[in-house]
Amino acid sequence: GQNIDQPTEMTATEGAIVQINCTYQTSGFNGLFWYQQHAGEAPTFLSYNVLDGLEEKGRFSSFLSRSKGYSYLLLKELQMKDSASYLCAVRDIGDTGRRALTFGSGTRLQVQP
Amino acid sequence: DVKVTQSSRYLVKRTGEKVFLECVQDMDHENMFWYRQDPGLGLRLIYFSYDVKMKEKGDIPEGYSVSREKKERFSLILESASTNQTSMYLCASRDRATGFHYGYTFGSGTRLTVV
Repeated sequence: GQNIDQPTEMTATEGAIVQINCTYQTSGFNGLFWYQQHAGEAPTFLSYNVLDGLEEKGRFSSFLSRSKGYSYLLLKELQMKDSASYLCAVRDIGDTGRRALTFGSGTRLQVQP
Repeated sequence: DVKVTQSSRYLVKRTGEKVFLECVQDMDHENMFWYRQDPGLGLRLIYFSYDVKMKEKGDIPEGYSVSREKKERFSLILESASTNQTSMYLCASRDRATGFHYGYTFGSGTRLTVV
């Protein structure tokens, strides 16, 4: 089985930097994804990590440490439109061999002026 | 752009009814998935399908079944709807080749209320 933990809510100020953490436990780690979901909308893909280190994409970066079972999503120069839920998802093919993702509960980020 | 279309945005059904949730994707993706999303619980996998006529149980299949007769369509069936199946249902698809790195494309969701 899997256990994915991320904070429930975070608040940050426009223009600032925020880091959203995700810890996971898996038996056969095969990749970690971050998705953004605005209220009432579908989740959209942000990033993918399978090797240790930092992946940067514009204002968003994602970091992975497989030995620690830890990832974070870093959002720089926050904008009001970044107010959304951020979902951490892990692909684990250890137990069942299946290639479906398991999601954390999501972190609701509120950006304030 | 890949499009995943869910037939209804909002549905209200009565307890005991048989409910069909339809999902269609237009990019010839092999893999399709059904999740439900509930506050505090996140997205939980109900069923998935690697290809036509194939289906696999996810983490919470009880009370649900699925049908994949054509590659583009993946239907979720609630055999006898119950109030604890009130939820947001999300369909997703993934290309077997590129999806390894890009994950899923989601539909906009169907908010089902069972009364």
